[in-house]
Amino acid sequence: GQSLEQPSEVTAVEGAIVQINCTYQTSGFYGLSWYQQHDGGAPTFLSYNGLDGLEETGRFSSFLSRSDSYGYLLLQELQMKDSASYFCAVLTTGGYNKLIFGAGTRLAVHP
Amino acid sequence: NAGVTQTPKFQVLKTGQSMTLQCAQDMNHEYMSWYRQDPGMGLRLIHYSVGAGITDQGEVPNGYNVSRSTTEDFPLRLLSAAPSQTSVYFCASSYMQGSNQPQHFGDGTRLSIL
Repeated sequence: GQSLEQPSEVTAVEGAIVQINCTYQTSGFYGLSWYQQHDGGAPTFLSYNGLDGLEETGRFSSFLSRSDSYGYLLLQELQMKDSASYFCAVLTTGGYNKLIFGAGTRLAVHP
Repeated sequence: NAGVTQTPKFQVLKTGQSMTLQCAQDMNHEYMSWYRQDPGMGLRLIHYSVGAGITDQGEVPNGYNVSRSTTEDFPLRLLSAAPSQTSVYFCASSYMQGSNQPQHFGDGTRLSIL
């Protein structure tokens, strides 16, 4: 089977840095993705890590360690609009490849 | 370019009724999938398709049917609605089935079963 673990809630203040961790257990791991979802909205793609290391996209960075089955999303210079839920997702085999999501981390950014 | 279009946006059903949630994409994507989202449980995969005529079960397929007769459309059928199927349903598509391919999500269908 497969499982993904991430914290349910994180709180931070504007301008700060926050890290959202994700640990996974899957078969046939291909890579780790991150999605953002605002309340009442649809998930939107943020980043993908297929290899170990850090990927940077503006204020957001994502990291993967395959040997540790671990990744994280790093959000810098937090803004109020970053308040949302963040989901890690892995591609897992078993039949055809399918994308499985974690339960999500709700980030609340305060002034 | 409409992206992924889901209809209806809201629906209320009675227990035992059947209905079809529609999903269409205009990006010529091969990979399409259906997720349900319940509070505190994230997105759970119901069914997915890797191309026209090819579908497979996800994590929670019971009570749902799918078919993929065209590249553009991937309807989800509830055979006999149950209160446990009250949820927000999202359809998603991507160019291929690799996880480096961003999933494009529709706006969701909010379904209540009474």
